[in-house]
Parts: sequence; C-alpha cells; structure tokens
Amino acid sequence: NAGVTQTPKFQVLKTGQSMTLQCAQDMNHNSMYWYRQDPGMGLRLIYYSASEGTTDKGEVPNGYNVSRLNKREFSLRLESAAPSQTSVYFCASTPDRSTNYGYTFGSGTRLTVV
Amino acid sequence: KNEVEQSPQNLTAQEGEFITINCSYSVGISALHWLQQHPGGGIVSLFMLSSGKKKHGRLIATINIQEKHSSLHITASHPRDSAVYICAVPLWAGGGADGLTFGKGTHLIIQP
Repeated sequence: NAGVTQTPKFQVLKTGQSMTLQCAQDMNHNSMYWYRQDPGMGLRLIYYSASEGTTDKGEVPNGYNVSRLNKREFSLRLESAAPSQTSVYFCASTPDRSTNYGYTFGSGTRLTVV
Repeated sequence: KNEVEQSPQNLTAQEGEFITINCSYSVGISALHWLQQHPGGGIVSLFMLSSGKKKHGRLIATINIQEKHSSLHITASHPRDSAVYICAVPLWAGGGADGLTFGKGTHLIIQP
C-alpha cells in the first residue's frame, strides 16, 4: 500500500547510545518531516526536508541530525541518546512545499531512552 | 510562529450525540488541517481546508479565516469515533509547507 513507512516501530536505548530512525515514502512527495509527540504537548517539528538535497531545522532540532538520502528516504539520527528524547516519533510527507496539500504520516516509532 | 489552541481537551458523550471540537490559531494561514489519532495508533488526515466548509460522511469541518477559528463536527456519533482529534496549521505565518504546528488534541470518548 502506498504511504509512509517507518522503522523500527519500537526501540529501547541506553543513555549515550546512537540509532537511526528510517522513513520512506512511495508517493513521489518532495517534502518530508520528522516530528516528536510527547504527553500533554502537540507534535513538534524536529527537522524537515523541503526537497531532495535540502534539510532545515524545525522547532526542536537539538540532539538530532537528518539525512535526505534520496527523494524517497529521510532518516533521523540520535548520536547520543538522552532520556529527554524518549518520545513517539512520526515521519510525514506532502507533495510540495509551495502549495498546500494534505500530509501523510507514518505509523510512528516509540523510543524509550533509559 | 503560529500558536494553536483546541477545546475542549477531553469530551465524553453518548452515542448519537452531535459533537463539536474547536480550534483557534494566532496568525494568518493558507490552510488548516484536522487529523485523527486512535490510541497507540498512527495519525490520519481528515481534512485540509482554507475556506468555508468540507464534509466527509458524518464529519464536517468549517473555517472562518477572519476570526482565525475552525470547528470539527461529528453528527450521529458512534463509539468507533472515539479517538484524539488534532488541529494543525502552518508553523510560520505565510503558510507554505515548512512544517505544521499542532494543537494538543481533543480526546473524544463516545459511550454506547
């Protein structure tokens, strides 16, 4: 089925470990996003990629890096995980940054840092 | 930066009732999004609207650009409508697709 695929779905890390969250979309969308969702708060933008080859910081980029590997894939890396990064992470995509289309979200990655 | 407020935060109603969820935002936008999230589940886009009203099945979304306000209505509510409903608008004034900012969500429970 067409859509946004995130891996893994669940992950437990120890403080200081690193990991990469993977995201891929098969809808030929130009723009991709990483959000985090924490209890009692709205989703917050970590990083986004308006088009292949570009990435920009969002509201809460500290502690994260991203790579837009190609048009389909946008990965999020935690270099040295901290308990404050315990969250549910969602990847999303939309056709184009210049106009307003709906967004498609992945099913999320639940990350716990102990 | 745009700010989003939703109300109510929690809503419990009986099956068949008419439901209204409200959303207000702080700066002008090009479009507003309504999303649905089931417990432990992913996020599904319900509506994107920039003016007037949209209807899909028992769901109706309206927006008043001048008042910076939108409502999501559910007619003839059913227990399967139980979910968190989230309003989202462009993060920055001027719109575009440089990310969204989200309300905290309305947790809706429909009792049989």
